Amino acid sequence: AQSVTQLGSHVSVSEGALVLLRCNYSSSVPPYLFWYVQYPNQGLQLLLKYTSAATLVKGINGFEAEFKKSETSFHLTKPSAHMSDAAEYFCAVSSIYNQGGKLIFGQGTELSVKP
Amino acid sequence: KAGVTQTPRYLIKTRGQQVTLSCSPISGHRSVSWYQQTPGQGLQFLFEYFSETQRNKGNFPGRFSGRQFSNSRSEMNVSTLELGDSALYLCASSSDRDIGDTQYFGPGTRLTVL
Repeated sequence: AQSVTQLGSHVSVSEGALVLLRCNYSSSVPPYLFWYVQYPNQGLQLLLKYTSAATLVKGINGFEAEFKKSETSFHLTKPSAHMSDAAEYFCAVSSIYNQGGKLIFGQGTELSVKP
Repeated sequence: KAGVTQTPRYLIKTRGQQVTLSCSPISGHRSVSWYQQTPGQGLQFLFEYFSETQRNKGNFPGRFSGRQFSNSRSEMNVSTLELGDSALYLCASSSDRDIGDTQYFGPGTRLTVL
C-alpha cells in the first residue's frame, strides 16, 4: 500500500523567507510524486512532478523539490516566499501499481505568508 | 487549450435526493478521474474512466457512480444523498492511462447537502 504524510498542517513564514513544506511517502515500488497547490475556491494546480528523470525537480513559480529515496522524502522548497504563495499545498503519489491514474494525496499543508 | 471544466460549480441538495455532476476534460484527454475533498478526510479517489470504461474505483459506497461518454466527457452521480456527502468534487483529466501522466484538475463542484 502507498501513503503520503505531510508534516505540519499549517506553516507560516514571513515574506522573503525560505519556504519548506515536508512530504514523506511510503511505497514498495518506485513512485511518481507530485506537488499540487490549491487556492481558495479553486481546483488543484500542478507545481511539479518527479518521474525518475532527475532527483531535483524544478516547478512553476520558483518552487522545487528533491527526491531522496533513502529518506523517502520529497520536500517542497522556495528560496523566497511571496504573498501570492499563500495557499494549500498537497503532495501526492502514484506508482506502476496504481492503475488508472489514481493519486494518493497527503492531508495538505496550508501556507501563510506574513508581510 | 481550454482546461478541465466542471458544471455546475455550486449545488445545494437535501438529504435523500440524487445529484449529477459533469466534467469536460481537456481536448484529447481520454482519462477522467474523480476525487472527493472534505476537511475531515482530505482528497480521496472516487473512480477513473478511460475510453468509456471504469478502470479503477476507490473505496466509496455504491451510491457513488459514474460514466464516460464517447467524447470523453464524464458524469458522476450520487444517489440518496447524505449530509456527509457535502464536499468539493474534483474532476481531473490526463492524456492516457500511463502511470505518472499529469492529471489536470477542474475547479470543482461544491455540493452542499442540507
